[in-house]
Amino acid sequence: GAGVSQSPRYKVTKRGQDVALRCDPISGHVSLYWYRQALGQGPEFLTYFNYEAQQDKSGLPNDRFSAERPEGSISTLTIQRTEQRDSAMYRCASSLGGQPQHFGDGTRLSIL
Amino acid sequence: AQSVTQPDIHITVSEGASLELRCNYSYGATPYLFWYVQSPGQGLQLLLKYFSGDTLVQGIKGFEAEFKRSQSSFNLRKPSVHWSDAAEYFCAVVPDRGSTLGRLYFGRGTQLTVWP
Repeated sequence: GAGVSQSPRYKVTKRGQDVALRCDPISGHVSLYWYRQALGQGPEFLTYFNYEAQQDKSGLPNDRFSAERPEGSISTLTIQRTEQRDSAMYRCASSLGGQPQHFGDGTRLSIL
Repeated sequence: AQSVTQPDIHITVSEGASLELRCNYSYGATPYLFWYVQSPGQGLQLLLKYFSGDTLVQGIKGFEAEFKRSQSSFNLRKPSVHWSDAAEYFCAVVPDRGSTLGRLYFGRGTQLTVWP
């Protein structure tokens, strides 16, 4: 597509539920990144893929967070047993394999 | 600790005035440097980037930034601000040019308000 597409744009869920956030990168982009942005802060790195391989997951805060990119295109970030502290804007970015990264509009996640 | 610092949380300028947003980083090597802009309800848009070469880089929307190695700074400037420039601005860094890990490290952002 023309840009990075994230869905849903907004997600409200109850504490304890699982959520799945989707990212569709720019066509042909090899690298895909996930970031989390708390209110009043800059985005913080979560994880990174080259094609389907997860190259770095050191930014995932705990084992409730996981990500996959099975066919080297669309990626899903999953949060299990959500907690209120998981509320944030989740951003996806893609690149041709280096820099710069191109960002989607993000998913605003609110945990009640 | 290594970091990206944007010392101004909020800046207010009048339309037509000049603008400078500050960014300092504490990584040892010369990193890749970026400025992104975030308008309400929208994603992060790349304004400009510095990889190498001329230390004064031009970006979109009339913005420019200057890399100063001696000061570890990459300040964003615009000679005449328009009301549509009101947004949040983020400085970002890829610290290690030789690394295949392309993660960006962001500053906390500077919110720009423009008065008519």
